[in-house]
Amino acid sequence: SQQGEEDPQALSIQEGENATMNCSYKTSINNLQWYRQNSGRGLVHLILIRSNEREKHSGRLRVTLDTSKKSSSLLITASRAADTASYFCATANSGGSNYKLTFGKGTLLTVNP
Amino acid sequence: GAGVSQSPRYKVAKRGQDVALRCDPISGHVSLFWYQQALGQGPEFLTYFQNEAQLDKSGLPSDRFFAERPEGSVSTLKIQRTQQEDSAVYLCASSQQRGGETQYFGPGTRLLVL
Repeated sequence: SQQGEEDPQALSIQEGENATMNCSYKTSINNLQWYRQNSGRGLVHLILIRSNEREKHSGRLRVTLDTSKKSSSLLITASRAADTASYFCATANSGGSNYKLTFGKGTLLTVNP
Repeated sequence: GAGVSQSPRYKVAKRGQDVALRCDPISGHVSLFWYQQALGQGPEFLTYFQNEAQLDKSGLPSDRFFAERPEGSVSTLKIQRTQQEDSAVYLCASSQQRGGETQYFGPGTRLLVL
């Protein structure tokens, strides 16, 4: 079963614009991760944010986490055509099985040149 | 360095055939995971190994699915008597530590059962 739900399901923007994707989940988590998937490189880990963190940056990526609302957002600034891919959030539950990632259905991002 | 590799990349099987999918994790990685990704969906957890021990197989859909990692490195996912609903991409991931927060994924094996 899928825990995370990404929103929107699809997003189309112009190069240089910012892209924001949201993720909601249902249970208590140890951490939340964002992955990117395209046909060329498979599933690539982007960033991990722990349950006691509220915001994290990595290059052009900014992730926020609100555990009270059980939601996260991924912001990609100054987007490039190469950012075109599907983006998934994945949660690792708190407790003994925190190795097990539960993915959402993903947001398909298209960046037009 | 070399990432996670999987073979074959594509597999077409007739319904009822047995298939074996191979995963070569990153050298030295303790943890290995298998996921199943249906078309248009996110990956779903199948099973988890820590070295050669299969610690969690709760995600395997049926007893037709079997995974092993006998020497704690290469892993094989076997599906017996394949059914059309088994058609999916099978992803393998490894991580350096026990449990492992950051998982490194292979390119996947796309299985089509006719």
